[in-house]
Amino acid sequence: AQSVTQLGSHVSVSEGALVLLRCNYSSSVPPYLFWYVQYPNQGLQLLLKYTTGATLVKGINGFEAEFKKSETSFHLTKPSAHMSDAAEYFCAVSDRSGNTPLVFGKGTRLSVIA
Amino acid sequence: EPEVTQTPSHQVTQMGQEVILRCVPISNHLYFYWYRQILGQKVEFLVSFYNNEISEKSEIFDDQFSVERPDGSNFTLKIRSTKLEDSAMYFCASRAPGGTYEQYFGPGTRLTVT
Repeated sequence: AQSVTQLGSHVSVSEGALVLLRCNYSSSVPPYLFWYVQYPNQGLQLLLKYTTGATLVKGINGFEAEFKKSETSFHLTKPSAHMSDAAEYFCAVSDRSGNTPLVFGKGTRLSVIA
Repeated sequence: EPEVTQTPSHQVTQMGQEVILRCVPISNHLYFYWYRQILGQKVEFLVSFYNNEISEKSEIFDDQFSVERPDGSNFTLKIRSTKLEDSAMYFCASRAPGGTYEQYFGPGTRLTVT
């Protein structure tokens, strides 16, 4: 069965600093990979996804993630944090049929300090 | 931009009562899902629905739960006899046919069972 591990339940960065949120998956075959963001009292919004092709994918709000098969990772980064980035971030996977449900990590809460 | 909508945003019910959570998926989507998030925990899959039948369900989705697509637009989750542990945020999601694979989530319904 697939699983997702997000290291660090809470990450705190200064405004303007690099954001790095870690995600590792466990799957015998590389899955499809997603990052979702959840702002307080809101639903889940897709930030970016990797299915095939270029392993560095760019998403909304200046975020990007790189799929590294050798490391079974899909870490999320942003060069310069903004106060509005404060939210909960979830990494999720599905198998390569795309028809299976998403399996989510436990989430990482990002705080941005002025 | 089309979006998934859910009603109500917050539902309070007494233990043992039946509740129906409603979702309107994006109009051209054919795959539908329910997930839940207990406070402070990760998002968990409940059930997926395609071609007017359940395609997959988790262990959480026991006989107390049912789903229905009563017409061409609504997708409902019914909990027959609510328990305290059913208190959670329930998210509906939908996915388009073809190779896009991403699921679009609604804003959620917060269910509180007292």
